[in-house]
Amino acid sequence: SQQGEEDPQALSIQEGENATMNCSYKTSINNLQWYRQNSGRGLVHLILIRSNEREKHSGRLRVTLDTSKKSSSLLITASRAADTASYFCATDAWLISSGSARQLTFGSGTQLTVLP
Amino acid sequence: DAGITQSPRHKVTETGTPVTLRCHQTENHRYMYWYRQDPGHGLRLIHYSYGVKDTDKGEVSDGYSVSRSKTEDFLLTLESATSSQTSVYFCAIKPGQGTDTQYFGPGTRLTVL
Repeated sequence: SQQGEEDPQALSIQEGENATMNCSYKTSINNLQWYRQNSGRGLVHLILIRSNEREKHSGRLRVTLDTSKKSSSLLITASRAADTASYFCATDAWLISSGSARQLTFGSGTQLTVLP
Repeated sequence: DAGITQSPRHKVTETGTPVTLRCHQTENHRYMYWYRQDPGHGLRLIHYSYGVKDTDKGEVSDGYSVSRSKTEDFLLTLESATSSQTSVYFCAIKPGQGTDTQYFGPGTRLTVL
């Protein structure tokens, strides 16, 4: 079963607008990560927020984490056509099936389209 | 792609045939992972390795086996491929303690007819 679920599944905006994606999860986590995937490519790490952090910034990215609500949001400001991609949240946690290592569990992603 | 290569990049095979996918890294990272990606499911962990000859199962390990005889190579084997294993397979590495980020390879698209 998936730990993280993104909302919305798809988002279409105009260049220059802000894009907000949300992620909800079910169990306690060590950290939450956001990844980006361009069509036909592998995933690229964007930002990591630890369970004791509430907000983090990296360039045009802003991530928030609310552990009481088990949710996170990714904000991309002043979007560009090049931001068009799928965005995935991934929760880093110990799982019953994990044996000796923590695991990343990915959501099903948000497809962001930025129109020029 | 953080020095990670996957081979082959594309493969078409028939049901019942064995298939081996290779992940190769150049930086001696300890942790290596195999995921599959299917529409509507995101990435799901198949198997992972935390050292040479040290492997463990992930969420969707049935029908797959792995081996890691060298630090740099992590092999994923489908002993008898089925159509339900048609997917895109990604390898990832994690540098080790103190770093929680994973770095992904370019993926292998496998089609089982």
